[in-house]
Amino acid sequence: DTGVSQNPRHKITKRGQNVTFRCDPISEHNRLYWYRQTLGQGPEFLTYFQNEAQLEKSRLLSDRFSAERPKGSFSTLEIQRTEQGDSAMYLCASSLAHGNTEAFFGQGTRLTVV
Amino acid sequence: DAKTTQPNSMESNEEEPVHLPCNHSTISGTDYIHWYRQLPSQGPEYVIHGLTSNVNNRMASLAIAEDRKSSTLILHRATLRDAAVYYCILRETGANSKLTFGKGITLSVRP
Repeated sequence: DTGVSQNPRHKITKRGQNVTFRCDPISEHNRLYWYRQTLGQGPEFLTYFQNEAQLEKSRLLSDRFSAERPKGSFSTLEIQRTEQGDSAMYLCASSLAHGNTEAFFGQGTRLTVV
Repeated sequence: DAKTTQPNSMESNEEEPVHLPCNHSTISGTDYIHWYRQLPSQGPEYVIHGLTSNVNNRMASLAIAEDRKSSTLILHRATLRDAAVYYCILRETGANSKLTFGKGITLSVRP
């Protein structure tokens, strides 16, 4: 297993376009998390899944954002009608469910909305 | 979510020990104390975690106060590669065990 993989690593898009990011977690991990990080800030929680069920969504996740994990394996994060304020690093992490386990993060997808 | 408080930044000399403090006065009995670090242009990386007892691994040591209201991450010999943002996070035991990040502490290491 090569760890958590995120694609693409970089995405430049025009305002108003839709974008989709993919995250492939560590295979035996049932938890998958999405975070957003802007310059100088810590990662902000967006949403997380246990298997295919989306258990929690942050208030930061407007209705333009949607995340799926259809078969409990990989996940996608889609942003519709992108805005310049969506420019950020989008991070994915996976772990087992218990708090006594570590989470593994991907390298992130850097989104730039122009 | 229980919150943590860390200084904004700290400087260290290479090959000297570094003690990074964290306060978590509202910690609950089932919260684990996790530390992650983030190097420039990379995703966060797990460092260490513990519940009540002090913990050691190949990267660092974690010293937890007896009342669990504070903890200290100890890097025994800082290297230039340890320069990063270090996050102290409380992670619940149960169903809601997500990681909630603060701003972290930026560690600079002088050669």
